[in-house]
Amino acid sequence: DAEITQSPRHKITETGRQVTLACHQTWNHNNMFWYRQDLGHGLRLIHYSYGVHDTNKGEVSDGYSVSRSNTEDLPLTLESAASSQTSVYFCASSSGQGSQETQYFGPGTRLLVL
Amino acid sequence: DQQVKQNSPSLSVQEGRISILNCDYTNSMFDYFLWYKKYPAEGPTFLISISSIKDKNEDGRFTVFLNKSAKHLSLHIVPSQPGDSAVYFCAASAGTYKYIFGTGTRLKVLA
Repeated sequence: DAEITQSPRHKITETGRQVTLACHQTWNHNNMFWYRQDLGHGLRLIHYSYGVHDTNKGEVSDGYSVSRSNTEDLPLTLESAASSQTSVYFCASSSGQGSQETQYFGPGTRLLVL
Repeated sequence: DQQVKQNSPSLSVQEGRISILNCDYTNSMFDYFLWYKKYPAEGPTFLISISSIKDKNEDGRFTVFLNKSAKHLSLHIVPSQPGDSAVYFCAASAGTYKYIFGTGTRLKVLA
């Protein structure tokens, strides 16, 4: 079955370290998204991509970067982790074929920055 | 500026009764609305959606109502079951693939 996976599921890191969270989907979807979930804020968009080599900033992109070298993967990099980036991160994808689409979410990565 | 608002952080309902979750939005350009359900330690899962050309969409026990003049949508769950206990997020998009999410409502269905 096609799916979307995230790794690691849990990560503890130290302030200032570079961290990369992986997202992999097997639906052959064009669109991929990264969100963070924080209490009182819901899900906020960090970065998104509409296809290979396309990346765009979302509403909370500072301190994060993404790259899209193939259809299946959109890794999220925290350049220099900060305690404010402690959060739960979700990756999502959608086909990019229609006008009103459903996004499908991965299981999430819980990140703790000490 | 919160474009999509869920003003009730939590809601408790007896099993078998109706659950009504509300969502308000400010952007009149939104043309597609969705509800997602989220269990602890899992990713959000799609529940139901509605286009702005409709005012109601049903799927089994779940119905979404859209009132464009009031910029308000609601999710009705009838009858509510203990397995419906989760956090519910509403989301909206304005002619793009991007969503704006609300802050979520935690529903607890009491047996």
